[in-house]
Order: sequence, then structure tokens, then C-alpha cells
Amino acid sequence: GQNIDQPTEMTATEGAIVQINCTYQTSGFNGLFWYQQHAGEAPTFLSYNVLDGLEEKGRFSSFLSRSKGYSYLLLKELQMKDSASYLCAVRDRAYSGAGSYQLTFGKGTKLSVIP
Amino acid sequence: DVKVTQSSRYLVKRTGEKVFLECVQDMDHENMFWYRQDPGLGLRLIYFSYDVKMKEKGDIPEGYSVSREKKERFSLILESASTNQTSMYLCASSVSQPQHFGDGTRLSIL
Repeated sequence: GQNIDQPTEMTATEGAIVQINCTYQTSGFNGLFWYQQHAGEAPTFLSYNVLDGLEEKGRFSSFLSRSKGYSYLLLKELQMKDSASYLCAVRDRAYSGAGSYQLTFGKGTKLSVIP
Repeated sequence: DVKVTQSSRYLVKRTGEKVFLECVQDMDHENMFWYRQDPGLGLRLIYFSYDVKMKEKGDIPEGYSVSREKKERFSLILESASTNQTSMYLCASSVSQPQHFGDGTRLSIL
């Protein structure tokens, strides 16, 4: 089966750094995604890792270790607007369509940034 | 920018009604998806489609059906709505990845 674990909630201070972890056990693996979702809004794409290592994009970085089934999202210089849920998703099972895969999502980590 | 539009932000229906949720994307994406999102359960895939008239069951298809008659439109159908289908429904589309999401429809079944 598919199993993706991430902490339910985290709290961090404005200006600080926070790391949100994600571990996965899936029947296949073809990449890991991080999405941000503000309350009442659609998830928006943040980052994608398919090879081991760190991908940096401004204040946000994402790391992947395929052998450990582990990823993290690192948020630097936290701002109040970073308060949101962060969703980890694994691209796993392929289906009939050429080049098409499903995403399996974790339950999300609700991050609260406090002054 | 990719635009995925869901027909309603909020919808209230009664038990036993047939309910249609509509989703339209403007980027000629082959793949379209329907999810529901519930507190503590996260996003769960209901159905998806990788081409016109093609559909595949996701993880929780029971009680739902879908229709993809045109490439840009993917409809989710609740044949006979029940209270346990009260949820946030999210539509997404993609070429390969990432998936782009609509704003969601918060559906309440009374």
C-alpha cells in the first residue's frame, strides 16, 4: 500500500527556519512534490524532487533521499504569510495514459508562524 | 498561467439528490483529476482521466462517477448524494506534472 507520513502541526517564529519532514513507503516512486495550501484555497505547487539531493528555490528548499524514503521542505526567513498547510505528495503508480502517473498525498502539515 | 475553474465554491444539496460538480481547464491538459479533502484525511483521489472519454478509478470511487466528453471539461457526479459525501472537492489538471488545482467546491449534503 501507499503510506506517506508528515507531522500534523508545527509552530515557528517569524524570521526563523523550519523543516517539515515527510517519509514515504510507496509501491513505486517517480518523484516527490511539495504543495502549499492556504486555508480555503487551492494547493499550489512549490517544488519537485526526483533525484537525491537538495533543490533550492528562493526561501524554500526541498531535499530527497530515495534510499531512506525521506524528504524535507526547508523554509527560511519565515514570514507570517507562510502560515499554511504543506502537502507532501509522491508520484507513484503509472496508469494507462502515456507518461501519466497518480499522486498520493500525505495528510499535510499545518504550519503556524507566530510573531 | 494555468486556469482550472470549478463551477461553484459552495453548494448545498439534499440526501438522495443527483449532484454534478463541473471543472474546466484552459491549457489543453490531457490529465484531469477529482479529489476530496477532509480534515485528518488529506487529499484522496476519487477518479481521474487521461484522455477524452477515458476514466480510471482512484482510491475512493464508491458513490461517484465521472464524465469527460470534451478535453477541457471533467465532471464529477454523485448519483445519490449521502451525508458522508459532505466534503471539499478539488479538481486538478496536468500535462505530466505538476498538477494544477482549482479553488475547490465545498459541498454540504443535508
